[in-house]
Amino acid sequence: GAVVSQHPSRVICKSGTSVKIECRSLDFQATTMFWYRQFPKQSLMLMATSNEGSKATYEQGVEKDKFLINHASLTLSTLTVTSAHPEDSSFYICSASTGWDDEQYFGPGTRLTVT
Amino acid sequence: AQSVTQLDSHVSVSEGTPVLLRCNYSSSYSPSLFWYVQHPNKGLQLLLKYTSAATLVKGINGFEAEFKKSETSFHLTKPSAHMSDAAEYFCVVTPISNFGNEKLTFGTGTRLTIIP
Repeated sequence: GAVVSQHPSRVICKSGTSVKIECRSLDFQATTMFWYRQFPKQSLMLMATSNEGSKATYEQGVEKDKFLINHASLTLSTLTVTSAHPEDSSFYICSASTGWDDEQYFGPGTRLTVT
Repeated sequence: AQSVTQLDSHVSVSEGTPVLLRCNYSSSYSPSLFWYVQHPNKGLQLLLKYTSAATLVKGINGFEAEFKKSETSFHLTKPSAHMSDAAEYFCVVTPISNFGNEKLTFGTGTRLTIIP
């Protein structure tokens, strides 16, 4: 149980376009979802925390107008990278908590390449 | 505030020999501690976790870790390395939570290489 999926697994987009990444909890309702960014050979950096039906809480230094997070249901959160630039190229990983245990469950990640 | 220090960015061991990946933490409250493994271009898999119960924690694939409060350490060990253990390992600290909704603080990672 507690499976999290992400779609797409890889995406290439042109500079200036927007791209949406989906994070779904497949077999549980996620009270809280988290979005992380990972640069090559580096650790995960928390970008934002989102709770269903409310605005996401962004970490310091993360532009909320550039990285739009929507948590419209208890099983789906989306991250939209707006007006993407090459420096936004990264590995984006989401995680979700069930609310009934002490773990976060991670998705497989989405590799974004902006050309 | 909380932080994690993984003392080695890269560890190489021969297949069949013991593995030791070091992690020290600091936390202003009682922490939960986790070890995750990440294979190339993959998400994170939980190896084991400490959440204030037994200080010696056993995880999957033969890994274990011991919580030592006096040393603020949570080192990961395995008696005998296998080729499939080659991956990136992250030590993570978070406040104790019953709901999994606390922020995770990640260490910088240790890349484990297994020599045939």
